[in-house]
Amino acid sequence: KQEVTQIPAALSVPEGENLVLNCSFTDSAIYNLQWFRQDPGKGLTSLLLIQSSQREQTSGRLNASLDKSSGRSTLYIAASQPGDSATYLCAVPPHSGGSNYKLTFGKGTLLTVNP
Amino acid sequence: ETGVTQTPRHLVMGMTNKKSLKCEQHLGHNAMYWYKQSAKKPLELMFVYSLEERVENNSVPSRFSPECPNSSHLFLHLHTLQPEDSALYLCASSQDLPNTEAFFGQGTRLTVV
Repeated sequence: KQEVTQIPAALSVPEGENLVLNCSFTDSAIYNLQWFRQDPGKGLTSLLLIQSSQREQTSGRLNASLDKSSGRSTLYIAASQPGDSATYLCAVPPHSGGSNYKLTFGKGTLLTVNP
Repeated sequence: ETGVTQTPRHLVMGMTNKKSLKCEQHLGHNAMYWYKQSAKKPLELMFVYSLEERVENNSVPSRFSPECPNSSHLFLHLHTLQPEDSALYLCASSQDLPNTEAFFGQGTRLTVV
């Protein structure tokens, strides 16, 4: 059974700081890994999707890396801004076995960027 | 704007009421999903439809009844809910199965009183 863990659960940084969010998963047989952002009481916004064959993906100030063999992904946010404050979630679909449809989510990292 | 629209955004209902949540996607996707997000818990998959056929029911109580009349619309019919069903209900869609990127709606905040 796939389990996804995100560390830290919460993070507070001053504006302008570079930061790293961590995501680990127990079953390395994945098709891809997706990072989402969720503002309080809102839906999820897809940030980046990394295919299992890729090592990293970049979008603006965001860079996500994937080390499938070790079951880890990181989301790097450069020059953080107060508008980056949100909960960041990672999720993986199964590659085989059991449910073929279930995205398994971590509990998220609550990020606060202080002005 | 993610291309997935949910209505209503907020809903308060009594335990004896019947209500429905609606989801519409404008992305031409084949698969649609209902997720439940409760406080302090990871998102839980409830139902999956692929090409209007239900392909997954994740041990969800029968007081939740999904309906997918076409590939663009998904409903969640609610009846005789319990206070512990209060949560954020999220709809998502993807081109095919979860192997492709998933896009989520803004959610419906449901409160059962």
